[in-house]
Amino acid sequence: SAVISQKPSRDICQRGTSLTIQCQVDSQVTMMFWYRQQPGQSLTLIATANQGSEATYESGFVIDKFPISRPNLTFSTLTVSNMSPEDSSIYLCSVRGDRGGEQYFGPGTRLTVT
Amino acid sequence: GEDVEQSLFLSVREGDSSVINCTYTDSSSTYLYWYKQEPGAGLQLLTYIFSNMDMKQDQRLTVLLNKKDKHLSLRIADTQTGDSAIYFCAGNQAGTALIFGKGTTLSVSS
Repeated sequence: SAVISQKPSRDICQRGTSLTIQCQVDSQVTMMFWYRQQPGQSLTLIATANQGSEATYESGFVIDKFPISRPNLTFSTLTVSNMSPEDSSIYLCSVRGDRGGEQYFGPGTRLTVT
Repeated sequence: GEDVEQSLFLSVREGDSSVINCTYTDSSSTYLYWYKQEPGAGLQLLTYIFSNMDMKQDQRLTVLLNKKDKHLSLRIADTQTGDSAIYFCAGNQAGTALIFGKGTTLSVSS
């Protein structure tokens, strides 16, 4: 299995500021994903981040708002830009395991925007 | 695209079996998953099943897959209070990202 850590675990931010969330994996993985879980809701995919290429964003999410970096096979960052209270959510990093079927999630970053 | 549906709540007594159901629309899903989320925590992968399997058992967990009806279920035997959590069903679409159901809140009373 893959062990995933995220920083920060939680943060309270002011409207209009930006926050960068880091995701570190204990092994090299090709596919890395960023999800959002709004309060009391299910998970929604923001983007897929593969090393060496631009992130692919889902409908409703744009690079200017959620820029992503993937500098190597064990690390990625997601930035939430120009935040508003509607961005208050849990942001989760996810990776696909070596055996193809397994997919693991980090502990999440709980973001509150005031 | 894929749509995954689950019932929202299930309440059981400690020691009973719990069955959480899920239906999905995309028959091309390669894998189907069950995740557990406890309050304030991330998602824990409980188990997953390859789409050409009918059943998978792992200790107290049994997954049944009916491809014809596009129905997935998770049975938890001898349910304990520690099993109280939200359970998410998910399928992968075209081998890429997961599509999640809204989650079933399992409440276990002693």
